[in-house]
Amino acid sequence: EAQVTQNPRYLITVTGKKLTVTCSQNMNHEYMSWYRQDPGLGLRQIYYSMNVEVTDKGDVPEGYKVSRKEKRNFPLILESPSPNQTSLYFCASSPFIYPGGSYEQYFGPGTRLTVT
Amino acid sequence: KNQVEQSPQSLIILEGKNCTLQCNYTVSPFSNLRWYKQDTGRGPVSLTIMTFSENTKSNGRYTATLDADTKQSSLHITASQLSDSASYICVVSASTNAGKSTFGDGTTLTVKP
Repeated sequence: EAQVTQNPRYLITVTGKKLTVTCSQNMNHEYMSWYRQDPGLGLRQIYYSMNVEVTDKGDVPEGYKVSRKEKRNFPLILESPSPNQTSLYFCASSPFIYPGGSYEQYFGPGTRLTVT
Repeated sequence: KNQVEQSPQSLIILEGKNCTLQCNYTVSPFSNLRWYKQDTGRGPVSLTIMTFSENTKSNGRYTATLDADTKQSSLHITASQLSDSASYICVVSASTNAGKSTFGDGTTLTVKP
């Protein structure tokens, strides 16, 4: 089944303890992206990757790191989590993206992170 | 700053009725506009995708329209069902940076029996 998977689905952690949220897709998509969703703020883009070894900042990259060493995986790293990073996180992937293109983006099930 | 604004913020309708959701954007130059449905606590699911040359796109009971001149889009839901209760999100990308997406805050639709 074609899908985007995220792990863990739920995580409660403490301030400053490094964590990684994994994201994997089995559709051979070139594009992957991370978003966070907070009540009243909608979805906001954290980082995205147009292809392997190519990553770019979204609108809210502060406090996050990403890497894209292989096409299928795009982990989100929080080096020193803080309470303001408590949120619902979504990973998504798309086939090759180009200006003016019509491409569908597939979202993962989400990871609910709580930082105390 | 590129923005996407949706209205209304929330909407309650009776099962079987039609409704229309609005999306206004300032993203420029325009690349594409997408409508998503998001059930509570789940990832968004794509409904329609429109590029500059398309002014209408249907997906079952969902029909999206796009007016690129006025930078407005609408999502029309026909013969609503209880399962249509969800948040509907409008997303726009610019052609100068196709990898970035600007999301609206969504319209929360509640369909009552």
